[in-house]
Amino acid sequence: EAGVVQSPRYKIIEKKQPVAFWCNPISGHNTLYWYRQNLGQGPELLIRYENEEAVDDSQLPKDRFSAERLKGVDSTLKIQPAELGDSAVYLCASSLSFGSGENEQYFGPGTRLTVT
Amino acid sequence: AQKVTQAQTEISVVEKEDVTLDCVYETRDTTYYLFWYKQPPSGELVFLIRRNSFDEQNEISGRYSWNFQKSTSSFNFTITASQVVDSAVYFCAVGGSQGNLIFGKGTKLSVKP
Repeated sequence: EAGVVQSPRYKIIEKKQPVAFWCNPISGHNTLYWYRQNLGQGPELLIRYENEEAVDDSQLPKDRFSAERLKGVDSTLKIQPAELGDSAVYLCASSLSFGSGENEQYFGPGTRLTVT
Repeated sequence: AQKVTQAQTEISVVEKEDVTLDCVYETRDTTYYLFWYKQPPSGELVFLIRRNSFDEQNEISGRYSWNFQKSTSSFNFTITASQVVDSAVYFCAVGGSQGNLIFGKGTKLSVKP
């Protein structure tokens, strides 16, 4: 079974430029998560989708970050414009369903973003 | 609010030594879930175990074992006879009824040959 797929794996951009990350979850997984992981820290949730609906985006900096999950499968996370502090690893994860919290999340390899 | 504390930032052992990674959690949920993930240098978080709050039985899987003690809010992870391939950053996480995971800062384990 294929795991969570993310692209690109690495991205280097100049500040104020836009950037987008793509995620394809495990087939059949209704819940999709985007996390940000700063150096030396654990992942922190940015947004959670149940199918195509964003059910928790309270930690997403909405002035510059946006996300979508068309048709409830693939998802795109965008930053525009990027700032130096956005340098981090952006992780996508998926799980079978949400609600009880008992379903483990499976993570993709992440996109390492460097903003110069 | 939920919180996970992994007090050990880095641990270095020699191959074949046993090592225990500590995890202390805080949560107000009566039902919650505890997780351990491994993050090797490649960067992908690998799921290791989930434990429900109502199940305090310890678990063993090969060289890995987990000790869940509700009385001390701890969920410690022991690797027996460590190997070089165990070198990674290990994260403990807690998830409540809402399902969102709160991760600790991780413990970097280095196993030297």
